Amino acid sequence: DQQVKQNSPSLSVQEGRISILNCDYTNSMFDYFLWYKKYPAEGPTFLISISSIKDKNEDGRFTVFLNKSAKHLSLHIVPSQPGDSAVYFCAASVNSNSGYALNFGKGTSLLVTP
Amino acid sequence: EPEVTQTPSHQVTQMGQEVILRCVPISNHLYFYWYRQILGQKVEFLVSFYNNEISEKSEIFDDQFSVERPDGSNFTLKIRSTKLEDSAMYFCASRARKLWGETQYFGPGTRLLVL
Repeated sequence: DQQVKQNSPSLSVQEGRISILNCDYTNSMFDYFLWYKKYPAEGPTFLISISSIKDKNEDGRFTVFLNKSAKHLSLHIVPSQPGDSAVYFCAASVNSNSGYALNFGKGTSLLVTP
Repeated sequence: EPEVTQTPSHQVTQMGQEVILRCVPISNHLYFYWYRQILGQKVEFLVSFYNNEISEKSEIFDDQFSVERPDGSNFTLKIRSTKLEDSAMYFCASRARKLWGETQYFGPGTRLLVL
């Protein structure tokens, strides 16, 4: 039951260019979305989030866009840096649920080349 | 900056043995979580814990699993009789307040290998 889908397992981008990571979801009850970054042998690190009442949230080089009608969100990284190379996970939750459990996608491995 | 810590970083156990994974959440956080990631798969929710009781659990979190907050700082996950398929990275996470949209912060994980 894949409620959050990241259909691109990997992405390669040149340093300085824009990285665009995509995420689709099926559960229309999701109302809070997050992006996490993960290095090997480490836990997921929070990057940026967006609530369902917004369609864009920006934090430095990172911008998340939400298209509720399409049940789609994307993470833009501009400009991309070699240190951004990691696995990026999209996650979603239903805030009305008691536990606020996160549903994760399978991740997209981003490689930023010099 | 406060962070979630987990011990041990690695644990190897025999099938059928009990294991306890430990976590120290961020000190002023109120919600605590366990997730796991089997190699090559997505991160999966196991359980959430608030006000000294389970607030939500997934289908994975069956009777073999239990959680406890034995004191004011530790949060543990116990697997009573481990199976081969329990081999995974186990992540603890914590969340600040019972407010909409609060972010969960993750620990570095414990790699569990069941032989």
